[in-house]
Amino acid sequence: QSALTQPASVSGSPGQSLTISCTATSSDVGDYNYVSWYQQHPGKAPKLIIYDVSNRPSGVSNRFSGSKSGNTASLTISGLQAEDDADYFCKSYTTSYTYVFGTGTKVTVL
Amino acid sequence: EVQLVESGGGLVQPGRSLRLSCVGSGFIFDDYAIHWVRQPPGKGLEWVSGISFNSGSKVYADSVKGRFTISRDNAKKSVFLQVNSLRPEDTALYFCVKRGSGNYRYFDNWGQGTLVTVSS
Repeated sequence: QSALTQPASVSGSPGQSLTISCTATSSDVGDYNYVSWYQQHPGKAPKLIIYDVSNRPSGVSNRFSGSKSGNTASLTISGLQAEDDADYFCKSYTTSYTYVFGTGTKVTVL
Repeated sequence: EVQLVESGGGLVQPGRSLRLSCVGSGFIFDDYAIHWVRQPPGKGLEWVSGISFNSGSKVYADSVKGRFTISRDNAKKSVFLQVNSLRPEDTALYFCVKRGSGNYRYFDNWGQGTLVTVSS
């Protein structure tokens, strides 16, 4: 159950776009089709923002989008806003019927 | 409104046990799998354990297998995590989370967490 690899931090100015990668280093994640992304503000519980690689739950801003290429999933935040300043975690279902989270990325809005 | 409320955390010595509880409301509790996710202070998220809607399937992370036991009581809309042989590295905020319906593999609702601190 090795953690998925994310960059420790990324930053951008308001209005810009940024992308966070999430790389699986083992075959435990199968086809990697069950990737979800979570946003966590300090002192708060995580919030689901993307599921099944690229689907957005109702109520989540369309500035958040997800994609996948091979064993790397990506979260893109477009039109960066101050409220996007938070930690972001990817997660995948595994072939052992368990789950694994990414190492987490701190997004800083400059 | 979906709510998950955890309780049972606290300060405990290494080797001791705790029983964490999670009560759900605002949804048909017996239709959903429930999981536990933990977060050590200042660190990332770690999936811990999960139980299917009817208790027919229970899964654990390797780091807790053999020490933690998950169970549920649908009549009480509750899920429990019995945590035994606690170690300092088990210190974390433990979140109760609801999995999506059917075959969805995402966690769509989270509680606020209960803090477990393992220290002598």
